[in-house]
Amino acid sequence: SQTIHQWPATLVQPVGSPLSLECTVEGTSNPNLYWYRQAAGRGLQLLFYSVGIGQISSEVPQNLSASRPQDRQFILSSKKLLLSDSGFYLCAWKRGTNTGELFFGEGSRLTVL
Amino acid sequence: GQQVMQIPQYQHVQEGEDFTTYCNSSTTLSNIQWYKQRPGGHPVFLIQLVKSGEVKKQKRLTFQFGEAKKNSSLHITATQTTDVGTYFCDGGSNYKLTFGKGTLLTVNP
Repeated sequence: SQTIHQWPATLVQPVGSPLSLECTVEGTSNPNLYWYRQAAGRGLQLLFYSVGIGQISSEVPQNLSASRPQDRQFILSSKKLLLSDSGFYLCAWKRGTNTGELFFGEGSRLTVL
Repeated sequence: GQQVMQIPQYQHVQEGEDFTTYCNSSTTLSNIQWYKQRPGGHPVFLIQLVKSGEVKKQKRLTFQFGEAKKNSSLHITATQTTDVGTYFCDGGSNYKLTFGKGTLLTVNP
């Protein structure tokens, strides 16, 4: 069966510090991978998506970046965090192009102080 | 780009009352997905609708896809406290999913 792991679950970081959130998927190959941010417990804002190794599409200009060094690994990074980067970050994957079901990780709650 | 609007943003009901959330798209959708996110949790897939006019049921939940494939609804009959959460629709294309802003449902026991 397929699983998705995302870590860390919670982190508190000072403004200006770097960030690295990691996500791995097991039990499937060549998944589409996504990073979402959810502020104030409401809407899901798509940040990045990837359809293959090294292929990253950015949806929102910001000080965040994403990388996909391996087929089932997706990393969200920042060199210098801003207060506005606080939020709930969700990694997700889906199969191929014809199925719509998106599987989410359990999320990483980031607080920037 | 494709826009998916979801209404209402919030809905508070008494336990036992019905609840409906609507999802409207500016363009024809190939399919639509519904998710539920419990407070403090992550979104969980509920269902996918593909065919025009499709209706699917999951116990007290009824999902509909409009004939023109531009709108969809989720109806919950006789809400329970376990129904609390945010319900999202997603009408995205193959690679890029487009979520509505969600409807936050609270249930007063």
